[in-house]
Amino acid sequence: EAQVTQNPRYLITVTGKKLTVTCSQNMNHEYMSWYRQDPGLGLRQIYYSMNVEVTDKGDVPEGYKVSRKEKRNFPLILESPSPNQTSLYFCASSLVGSSSYGEYFGPGTRLTVT
Amino acid sequence: KNQVEQSPQSLIILEGKNCTLQCNYTVSPFSNLRWYKQDTGRGPVSLTIMTFSENTKSNGRYTATLDADTKQSSLHITASQLSDSASYICVVRGRGGGNKLTFGTGTQLKVEL
Repeated sequence: EAQVTQNPRYLITVTGKKLTVTCSQNMNHEYMSWYRQDPGLGLRQIYYSMNVEVTDKGDVPEGYKVSRKEKRNFPLILESPSPNQTSLYFCASSLVGSSSYGEYFGPGTRLTVT
Repeated sequence: KNQVEQSPQSLIILEGKNCTLQCNYTVSPFSNLRWYKQDTGRGPVSLTIMTFSENTKSNGRYTATLDADTKQSSLHITASQLSDSASYICVVRGRGGGNKLTFGTGTQLKVEL
């Protein structure tokens, strides 16, 4: 089954404790991206990757890091989480090279930073 | 600044009724426009995607229209069902510039008996 998986689905942590949210896709997609979703603000892009070892900042990259060492994985790293990073996070992937391509979203990770 | 505005913000309809959701955008140059359905606490799922040359596209009871001249799109839901209760998000992809997507904040639809 074609899918994007994220782990963990739920996470409660404390300020400053480094964490990683994993994202994996099994569709051989070149493009992967991370979003956060907050009430009233909609989805906002954090980072994206056009292919292995190619990453770039989205609209709200501060406080986040990513890496793309393999095509299927795109982990999101919070080196020193703060309460304003409490949010619902989505990973997405898609093909590149067509004006009609679309994104597949993962199930989401609900992060709470206290 | 590229923006996507959706209306109404929320909507309540009775099961079996039709409804239309609106999306206005300022993204230029334009590549494509997509409508997503997002159930509470879950990832968005694509309903339709349209390029600038397409005026209408259907997916079952969902029909999207696009007027690239006026930069407006609509999503029409026919014979609504309780399972249609969700947030509907309009997303516009610009042309060039690293796959830039601009998201609307969504229309929250509730279908009641």
